Amino acid sequence: QAQLLQSGSELKKPGASVRVSCTASGYTFSIHAMHWVRLAPRRGLEWMGWISTITGTPTYARNFAGRFVFSLDISVSTAYLQINNLTTDASAVYYCARLSDVGDSEVFDLWGRGSLVTVSS
Amino acid sequence: SLLTQPPSVSGAPGQTVTISCAGNDSNLGAGYEVHWFQFLPRTAPKLLIYANTNRPSGVPDRFSGSKSGTSSSLVITGLQADDEAEYYCQSRDRGLRVFGGGTRLTVL
Repeated sequence: QAQLLQSGSELKKPGASVRVSCTASGYTFSIHAMHWVRLAPRRGLEWMGWISTITGTPTYARNFAGRFVFSLDISVSTAYLQINNLTTDASAVYYCARLSDVGDSEVFDLWGRGSLVTVSS
Repeated sequence: SLLTQPPSVSGAPGQTVTISCAGNDSNLGAGYEVHWFQFLPRTAPKLLIYANTNRPSGVPDRFSGSKSGTSSSLVITGLQADDEAEYYCQSRDRGLRVFGGGTRLTVL
């Protein structure tokens, strides 16, 4: 059964960095692009961007260019989200989501459970 | 959010509730499809409806979706206690993926 297993909660101080992992199992990792979505208080769900699991090329949504870095380790079917120079407004739940072709549509058909990142001094 | 959802809806078990998702001419009105997701605490979000009206296998037919012009709706019939969750619509706006603000469904 396909699933995305995300890393656990993180508590970080402002200015630090954090890396969230998303490990895929039950399907061929390179067939589906991996997207990242943030759920933040008072901001709702925000699409952050995606990374090609074929080329490793990341694409960032406008609000997430700069401190956010997507990467892969194909050997372990894992996608990573690194957030640098953390600020308190980065406190959120971060989800990875697989993009699939379903019929004629591209949909997020498989999600991780989310990784809570809390930034506090 | 570019897609507007009511913050909350509620209904008693067995009743029917409708969650709306209002867009504009740059997203739903431009013909982009709408997808709906269910978010429960500490579980992976679940795709409920894709491409406006389609249910993935395993999703009960109590859940249905529709789209007309610049708006979309998710209808849940025969409300059950475990339907209590946050529901989000998702589409594209000028090609970029966007989500609605989310609707909290309370089962009374």
